[in-house]
Amino acid sequence: DTEVTQTPKHLVMGMTNKKSLKCEQHMGHRAMYWYKQKAKKPPELMFVYSYEKLSINESVPSRFSPECPNSSLLNLHLHALQPEDSALYLCASSQERGEGRTDTQYFGPGTRLTVL
Amino acid sequence: GQNIDQPTEMTATEGAIVQINCTYQTSGFNGLFWYQQHAGEAPTFLSYNVLDGLEEKGRFSSFLSRSKGYSYLLLKELQMKDSASYLCAVRGGRGGSYIPTFGRGTSLIVHP
Repeated sequence: DTEVTQTPKHLVMGMTNKKSLKCEQHMGHRAMYWYKQKAKKPPELMFVYSYEKLSINESVPSRFSPECPNSSLLNLHLHALQPEDSALYLCASSQERGEGRTDTQYFGPGTRLTVL
Repeated sequence: GQNIDQPTEMTATEGAIVQINCTYQTSGFNGLFWYQQHAGEAPTFLSYNVLDGLEEKGRFSSFLSRSKGYSYLLLKELQMKDSASYLCAVRGGRGGSYIPTFGRGTSLIVHP
């Protein structure tokens, strides 16, 4: 099973709303990632969690707040977003550090976010 | 940092063969990935190379030359469903970080 699930699939929110994106994997992976992807652009890394601890924050604005409640779940809390934050938000997971294929990232289907 | 370059767009005919190139510059190279991404969907893993040479998997093959900082993805017997963006991702830098950096992607259009 190489499935990463994300909810919701689509989200429309106003600039004053608070919402959360959710990601789940049951592959026993200990690294989980949030990416932001604009149309016709590559995924941009936002956050990395390793063993449920935040290990990388790519200078993401504080209106995005990640949370890793346990090794299978990853949330992204959204507050006071701007229209330019509209994008596809991708979650991925991988085995923690190692060589070879064990480090391949598996992506969820993404949440299409529109900020009005 | 890392510098990854791949063509923006390519077109090919159904049944043909197409080669998508990727060149990169990085320190501490630790692997190169190819992903396929259909519009509005998640990237799906295609291949991984860390040693020089060719890796074959069905209709898809990937090649790596570490000394040249060069990889290609070869797609044979093209099908219409192969129309997608193909992302080259390189792992390296940051002291050999395990997190790959994605190139801009190559949009492949397969026509009848």
